[in-house]
This record gives sequence, structure tokens and C-alpha cells, in this order.
Amino acid sequence: AQKITQTQPGMFVQEKEAVTLDCTYDTSDPSYGLFWYKQPSSGEMIFLIYQGSYDQQNATEGRYSLNFQKARKSANLVISASQLGDSAMYFCAMRGANSKLTFGKGITLSVRP
Amino acid sequence: SQTIHQWPATLVQPVGSPLSLECTVEGTSNPNLYWYRQAAGRGLQLLFYSVGIGQISSEVPQNLSASRPQDRQFILSSKKLLLSDSGFYLCAWSPTLLYEQYFGPGTRLTVT
Repeated sequence: AQKITQTQPGMFVQEKEAVTLDCTYDTSDPSYGLFWYKQPSSGEMIFLIYQGSYDQQNATEGRYSLNFQKARKSANLVISASQLGDSAMYFCAMRGANSKLTFGKGITLSVRP
Repeated sequence: SQTIHQWPATLVQPVGSPLSLECTVEGTSNPNLYWYRQAAGRGLQLLFYSVGIGQISSEVPQNLSASRPQDRQFILSSKKLLLSDSGFYLCAWSPTLLYEQYFGPGTRLTVT
């Protein structure tokens, strides 16, 4: 069975600083994918970044990067130069061999001006 | 570009009443379609997914059902709502089962 763990309490970051949101996962599938989604107060889930289990390099998308440590089974999201609009819930998710997404419980990020 | 629509945006229904939530995707053909439910302050729970017209896979046994009458239309239904059906319902699509999923704006359902 696949499992995603997000245990950080609400996170706070000062505007323009970087922040790391933690995600650990558990799976027995040799091939899998890891995703991060952002959910602002409006409710829509916004896809941010994807990392494949066989990708040699960490994924990056603009201000988002994924710190993928396969041996530790962690896939932390790093947001650089935080903006007020980054305040939202962030969900880590995994796709395994069954092709279904398993989501974590999410982390609330608040960006302070 | 592809867009995904859901309606209604919000819905308040009494216990025992029927439900029909609609999701449509534009700008793509033969998408994989998904229905999720999110309880307050929680992650997403996959309810149904479909890889083609008339092909529905159910993930959680409950009083909900799904149908896909057209290629880009996905409907979530119930004959009799329960209080526990309250939540935020999200529809999503992906080009294949391996790609990232793109979500609609969601429907907030309150069963009273």
C-alpha cells in the first residue's frame, strides 16, 4: 500500500525567504511518481511539480523545486523567494503502479509581509 | 488549451435527497476522469475514475455512483444523500493514467 506523510504543523515564512515543506512516502513499487499540489482558499487544486522515481535530477519549475532523496523516501518541496500569494495548503501525492494518486493530509503555509 | 468545469459551485441539500454533480473537460479528447472528495481540513479521497465512455471504476463503497455518458463528461450521483456525504467534491482529468492530474474548481456540498 502507498502512504504519504505530511506531519509539519502550520508553516510560516517571511516574504521573499525560502521555505521547505516536508513529505515522506512509503511504497513497494519500483516505479512511482511524486507530485505537489497547491490549494488556495478558493479550493482549486493547482499542480506545481512532478518527480519520477527514476529521474536523475531533482525537478524544478520556476520558484518551485523538489528535493528528492530516494533512499530516505522523502520528496520535500522548496519554494524560493516566497510571495504573499503562496499562502495556501500544499499537498504531496504519489502515483504508484496502480496509477492512482494517494494524497497526504496537507500542510498550511502562511507567508508574512 | 484544456479547461475543466464543474457545477454547481455550491449546493445545500437535505438528507435523503438526490444528487447530481457535473464535470466537463474542454480542449482534449479521451481524457482520464476522476472524482475526489475532500473532507474539511483533510486530503483527497479518490471516489471514481474513468478511462473511457461507460468505463467506471469505484474506489470506495458508498451510496454514490458515477457515469460517463460522453467522452468529456463525468457525472457524480446519489439517490439519497447522507449527512456524511458533505464535503468538497473535485473533478480532475489527465491525458493518461501516468500524467499529472488537473483539477476543476470543485463543488462544496452541504447535506443538512
